[in-house]
Amino acid sequence: DAGVIQSPRHEVTEMGQEVTLRCKPISGHNSLFWYRQTMMRGLELLIYFNNNVPIDDSGMPEDRFSAKMPNASFSTLKIQPSEPRDSAVYFCASIGTSPSTDTQYFGPGTRLTVL
Amino acid sequence: GQQVMQIPQYQHVQEGEDFTTYCNSSTTLSNIQWYKQRPGGHPVFLIQLVKSGEVKKQKRLTFQFGEEKKNSSLHITATQTTDVGTYFCAGRGSGDKLTFGTGTRLAVRP
Repeated sequence: DAGVIQSPRHEVTEMGQEVTLRCKPISGHNSLFWYRQTMMRGLELLIYFNNNVPIDDSGMPEDRFSAKMPNASFSTLKIQPSEPRDSAVYFCASIGTSPSTDTQYFGPGTRLTVL
Repeated sequence: GQQVMQIPQYQHVQEGEDFTTYCNSSTTLSNIQWYKQRPGGHPVFLIQLVKSGEVKKQKRLTFQFGEEKKNSSLHITATQTTDVGTYFCAGRGSGDKLTFGTGTRLAVRP
């Protein structure tokens, strides 16, 4: 089992540029979560999907952020335009369907730096 | 909305000393999970507690869920340098959404 896969692992970009982060959840998992982690704000839930449908996007900071899940094996988080305050580690996590498998499995994260 | 606080934010102990982190939720939880994040790593699931008053042990780690299902604790006996990292609790209200606590960063002096 490859676990949750995220790409890129590191991204350095300039303010104003578009950034796209990618996530492949564990096969068979039907819920996917995007988190942002910073020293100041800790681990924040941005959005989560269930069966590819966005369920709760109340954590998305503003309209510059958008997320999609076109199929069960792929999700993207896009920031356009990016700003320095978006610099953070972005994690994707997935969980399975039954209560016994509701552990969240995190990907390795994407470290984003916006200059 | 639901808030989950942890104390302390940071603790520095001598190897061999015990360590405890406390987690408090503003609302009653259906269950609570604990995660460990090593420096530079990602959160890794440790355990889930579901029942009121539940106590679970994993070697030197003891996890407890409060009677009212609003608080929890993690106790490490005789810390080792491998215990270094940030420990997060995460509370589940209803649905799939987990609210992560603020985390407690543990440093261990060898």
